[in-house]
Amino acid sequence: AQSVTQLDSQVPVFEEAPVELRCNYSSSVSVYLFWYVQYPNQGLQLLLKYLSGSTLVKGINGFEAEFNKSQTSFHLRKPSVHISDTAEYFCAVSFTGGGNKLTFGTGTQLKVEL
Amino acid sequence: GAVVSQHPSWVICKSGTSVKIECRSLDFQATTMFWYRQFPKQSLMLMATSNEGSKATYEQGVEKDKFLINHASLTLSTLTVTSAHPEDSSFYICSVYEESSYNEQFFGPGTRLTVL
Repeated sequence: AQSVTQLDSQVPVFEEAPVELRCNYSSSVSVYLFWYVQYPNQGLQLLLKYLSGSTLVKGINGFEAEFNKSQTSFHLRKPSVHISDTAEYFCAVSFTGGGNKLTFGTGTQLKVEL
Repeated sequence: GAVVSQHPSWVICKSGTSVKIECRSLDFQATTMFWYRQFPKQSLMLMATSNEGSKATYEQGVEKDKFLINHASLTLSTLTVTSAHPEDSSFYICSVYEESSYNEQFFGPGTRLTVL
């Protein structure tokens, strides 16, 4: 069965420090991978996506993620966070043959502190 | 990417009434839209896939008679919560699937439903 796991429900970090949000998936078929950000009472905004090609993907707001097929991971990173990065982050996976549906992880609350 | 709107942004209703939520694709003709619900501090759960001109495809465990989906045009899908109860209170989010954007979904801003 296909699944997505975000092990960290909350990640506190000081401003200007680096951060990594972890995402692992389980699948027997090819996948497309996405990271979305959600601010309170708002919809989701795409940060970045991996479809094919280079395993290091750069997105908006200084975020990047690396696809690791052997470890079935797609961790999100930012070298220096800002207060405005405080939000909920969702990893999502689209599985080949899944009808373009997205399966979301449980989310990681990133809280940036001064 | 596609711009998606939802109306209303929030709604409060009495138990037993029906509520309609609209999802509009403002700049793109969408044959496929998705409806999700999100409980507080939880992830998005796919409810159904809305297909223009045909019946919606519901996920396992979602009552199709309670959550009526109508995708009558390429720019509008509606979700009607019939005979709403307090347990239906949730954040409902729609998305538009745009094949030309390589499998990306574009999300609406969401609708907060509170059933008293």
